Amino acid sequence: DQQVKQNSPSLSVQEGRISILNCDYTNSMFDYFLWYKKYPAEGPTFLISISSIKDKNEDGRFTVFLNKSAKHLSLHIVPSQPGDSAVYFCAASGRDNQGGKLIFGQGTELSVKP
Amino acid sequence: ETGVTQTPRHLVMGMTNKKSLKCEQHLGHNAMYWYKQSAKKPLELMFVYSLEERVENNSVPSRFSPECPNSSHLFLHLHTLQPEDSALYLCASSRQPGFSYNEQFFGPGTRLTVL
Repeated sequence: DQQVKQNSPSLSVQEGRISILNCDYTNSMFDYFLWYKKYPAEGPTFLISISSIKDKNEDGRFTVFLNKSAKHLSLHIVPSQPGDSAVYFCAASGRDNQGGKLIFGQGTELSVKP
Repeated sequence: ETGVTQTPRHLVMGMTNKKSLKCEQHLGHNAMYWYKQSAKKPLELMFVYSLEERVENNSVPSRFSPECPNSSHLFLHLHTLQPEDSALYLCASSRQPGFSYNEQFFGPGTRLTVL
């Protein structure tokens, strides 16, 4: 059973527009959520995170929103740039995990067209 | 550059070979992880080491054998692999084992092909 789901395998956006990547989770014990970005032939790099005590966290062009009642989080990128084209993974960890284990979604491949 | 390095970056091996993957972190972290990423699948956690002790083994077949000689180095020894083991193997490290607020930093991965 997949506890973290990214239901859109791909997303295509025009440069300058907003990119919205979505993620759903099922485990109510999750209290920390992260977004990672991955280019081909590289490992994932940490992008932004949010704890369950917040509903929004912003860092430059990147904003993560958390809706705990819906068990849903989203990553907004605005304005989108061609260099943002990559695979984006959401991940979650929680109080019932040991060792800081992260549960990852399947990833969404973002393509930003010039 | 994340501070986590992996060698080799690419590896092709036969099913009867024995090889090892190496990971090194230069971040002063206390926890290290091995993940497997197959095409179109989420990252699968394989092993977790915290302060050089294995704290998690996610039902990984014995043909994968991890080793953590110190907090900066992690190995994955491979033998008698199957073609379905072909994947990207990622190493990660983090600062705070046992806490949920825990960013992990990933290496670039080893692309493994088993013939």
